[in-house]
Amino acid sequence: QQQVKQSPQSLIVQKGGISIINCAYENTAFDYFPWYQQFPGKGPALLIAIRPDVSEKKEGRFTISFNKSAKQFSLHFMDSQPGDSATYFCAAIAYNNNDMRFGAGTRLTVKP
Amino acid sequence: IAGITQAPTSQILAAGRRMTLRCTQDMRHNAMYWYRQDLGLGLRLIHYSNTAGTTGKGEVPDGYSVSRANTDDFPLTLASAVPSQTSVYFCASSQTSGRTDTQYFGPGTRLTVL
Repeated sequence: QQQVKQSPQSLIVQKGGISIINCAYENTAFDYFPWYQQFPGKGPALLIAIRPDVSEKKEGRFTISFNKSAKQFSLHFMDSQPGDSATYFCAAIAYNNNDMRFGAGTRLTVKP
Repeated sequence: IAGITQAPTSQILAAGRRMTLRCTQDMRHNAMYWYRQDLGLGLRLIHYSNTAGTTGKGEVPDGYSVSRANTDDFPLTLASAVPSQTSVYFCASSQTSGRTDTQYFGPGTRLTVL
């Protein structure tokens, strides 16, 4: 069973639009939530991460929103660009990096 | 600085054969990890090593073994490959195993078992 559920599986947005990817989890032991970006043929790379004591974290065009009571978190990015076209993975970590669980991924396409 | 290198880039293997995927990092990170990536499942942890000389089992360890003789190298061995081990394999490392330490991923090895 996927411990972290991610949606949508794929997303197409126009250049300049807003992209939103959602994740949900069940295990209340998860207490650190990173997002990874992966380009075709490359390994994932950390994009942004949030702790559950913070409801929102913004870095440049990227914002993570976190709802602890609903056990949901989401990635928003403003002004989407064709260079943002990639697969995005949310993840959740319980105690240490040995216990990181990933969502299934969202393939984002930004049309010019 | 190369970061993490993996070899081979891709491999086609007959079922039943033994295969070792290589991973080397030059960042002097203590912790290293092996993941497999399958469509619709994201990445799943196979084995990890928090420091040289120690290893542990991840979410999907069956059919795989690892060793960590030194800080830099973390090979993954499939003793007798099966078609369900067809996947893309990623090695990663982090300074420590602490959950806020960023994991850095290698470029991956695409393995096909026929």
